[in-house]
Amino acid sequence: NAGVTQTPKFQVLKTGQSMTLQCAQDMNHEYMSWYRQDPGMGLRLIHYSVGAGITDQGEVPNGYNVSRSTTEDFPLRLLSAAPSQTSVYFCASKRGGGYTFGSGTRLTVV
Amino acid sequence: GQQLNQSPQSMFIQEGEDVSMNCTSSSIFNTWLWYKQDPGEGPVLLIALYKAGELTSNGRLTAQFGITRKDSFLNISASIPSDVGIYFCAGNRDDKIIFGKGTRLHILP
Repeated sequence: NAGVTQTPKFQVLKTGQSMTLQCAQDMNHEYMSWYRQDPGMGLRLIHYSVGAGITDQGEVPNGYNVSRSTTEDFPLRLLSAAPSQTSVYFCASKRGGGYTFGSGTRLTVV
Repeated sequence: GQQLNQSPQSMFIQEGEDVSMNCTSSSIFNTWLWYKQDPGEGPVLLIALYKAGELTSNGRLTAQFGITRKDSFLNISASIPSDVGIYFCAGNRDDKIIFGKGTRLHILP
């Protein structure tokens, strides 16, 4: 099993550009989430999903969209990138208990 | 919103010392989780706690789910160099897992 796979690992965007961060898991986990990590802020929940076709907002959802058309995939879309979205983004999945995390996507918006 | 207050923010200890860190919240959580993050990696689950009062060990790590369900602590005994990293507490409630801001552990040579 590959676990939770995030792509790309690094990305630089210009302000106003859009892009999709990919997340895939092969563990048949129901729950998936996206977090962003900024220095001194810990991990903040952006969006989460309790199963295919179901998504909900977390603590900091503005500027991001998600969809969950399959159990395996949970992409995160930045509609119009802003410098404030410069961060490390982590995708995670679980069935019960705690999340398994991907290795992250480091995004810089210039 | 739900807030987790994790302390201390950072710790500087000698190798071999014991470490204690804790997390408190104004809200009740159904599950408490402790994670460790190494540089450039995602957090890795260390211990999961599911019942108030539960005390669970994982090698040199021991964690407890507070009886009020609003707090948890993590102890590390006899620290070693590979314990360096950031430790996060997290609480699970209503399908969301919320994280504390982390405790950065430094081990002095």
